[in-house]
Amino acid sequence: QSVLTQPPSVSAAPGQKVTISCSGSSSNIGNNYVSWYQQLPGTAPKLLIYENNKRPSGIPDRFSGSKSGTSATLGITGLQTGDEADYYCGTWDSSLSAVANWVFGGGTKLTVL
Amino acid sequence: EVQLVQSGAEVKKPGESLRISCKGSGYSFTSYWISWVRQMPGKGLEWMGRIDPSDSYTNYSPSFQGHVTISADKSISTAYLQWSSLKASDTAMYYCASLLYGNWFDPWGQGTLVTVSS
Repeated sequence: QSVLTQPPSVSAAPGQKVTISCSGSSSNIGNNYVSWYQQLPGTAPKLLIYENNKRPSGIPDRFSGSKSGTSATLGITGLQTGDEADYYCGTWDSSLSAVANWVFGGGTKLTVL
Repeated sequence: EVQLVQSGAEVKKPGESLRISCKGSGYSFTSYWISWVRQMPGKGLEWMGRIDPSDSYTNYSPSFQGHVTISADKSISTAYLQWSSLKASDTAMYYCASLLYGNWFDPWGQGTLVTVSS
């Protein structure tokens, strides 16, 4: 069970908007940057969002990120069938030891109906 | 092009040892930490630990401390993940990833599938 909580699944129709939440605490999200990763079926994860809300080169502006307090959100607009994937949030966590450890959320499966 | 290329799939028996590799190219390998991430079949991503290739400093997730060893050879821009005695529960896909500026993973290797079965 991850220290970062994501909904197991979300779904929406093509062209619609969806949001994926990532809930944590002051020992992780509250004091660190959040990044988001997309994992298409059978492939390695890919960086979508870094430092809470920045998009790497090549990531369309349909993808957005935000953070407030101890929660972060990934937004995807203009959904396409090619967006069907698992999405993970991640950040540093200092709750278990003196040295920070990276943690991922449990992942959210996006279905585009 | 910045990329990480991992070694190929492995099939091992319980109790055997194994070392898989991750070779960086297109950037200064010693500039960014390398992390290893496990993904068990049908499950999510789990951070195992990281290494600073410049001085081989490592830190491990408490879940993996003592079960695996992470190392690096900066002369050949390669990081390693090693087991001394595999278990069936080590069956998983393993990814390496570059931890840029300490705050996000990019790029990722293509993954190495490790299957442990008698």
